[in-house]
Amino acid sequence: GIQVEQSPPDLILQEGANSTLRCNFSDSVNNLQWFHQNPWGQLINLFYIPSGTKQNGRLSATTVATERYSLLYISSSQTTDSGVYFCAVDLTGYALNFGKGTSLLVTP
Amino acid sequence: DGGITQSPKYLFRKEGQNVTLSCEQNLNHDAMYWYRQDPGQGLRLIYYSQIVNDFQKGDIAEGYSVSREKKESFPLTVTSAQKNPTAFYLCASSKNVQAEAFFGQGTRLTVV
Repeated sequence: GIQVEQSPPDLILQEGANSTLRCNFSDSVNNLQWFHQNPWGQLINLFYIPSGTKQNGRLSATTVATERYSLLYISSSQTTDSGVYFCAVDLTGYALNFGKGTSLLVTP
Repeated sequence: DGGITQSPKYLFRKEGQNVTLSCEQNLNHDAMYWYRQDPGQGLRLIYYSQIVNDFQKGDIAEGYSVSREKKESFPLTVTSAQKNPTAFYLCASSKNVQAEAFFGQGTRLTVV
């Protein structure tokens, strides 16, 4: 079946550290997005990246569609980066399928 | 402001009652979606609509119903047939099914 797997499930970092979050998916991709869910539950769009590499400030993402994975890089992490990061992939042609997320805690 | 508005933010329901969650968007998007999130889990698709007057069941549609009479609106009704309705409900929209999706702020439903 359709699968979106994220790793690691949990991550604790000290402020200033870098991290890499991974998303593996089971089939070819029409759409891939990374989201950050804040403590109030809001999903913040980070990247729309079905293929290639994008950067936005301290965050960057790379999707290698032929190898069915995407990576989200967070550099110089800050406490405000804490929350849950979701990878969502359109594997069906009609809607996003979500992974279970990576829960990130950045400590001072 | 352009965006997706969900209301109410918090909702309490007695067992056996139906309740309707509102989702409105002013982004002129054709596609709209409803997802459910349980604690510590990812989002699961309840219903989606690719165009006005049309909608399809997602992965967990049992106990839910929707309508799409206007492009801007996609209300979700949680019926008494839904066995475990307590959850966080998120509405999303996109220009089309393969375009970037944007989410509302969610509605937390608690059955008491």
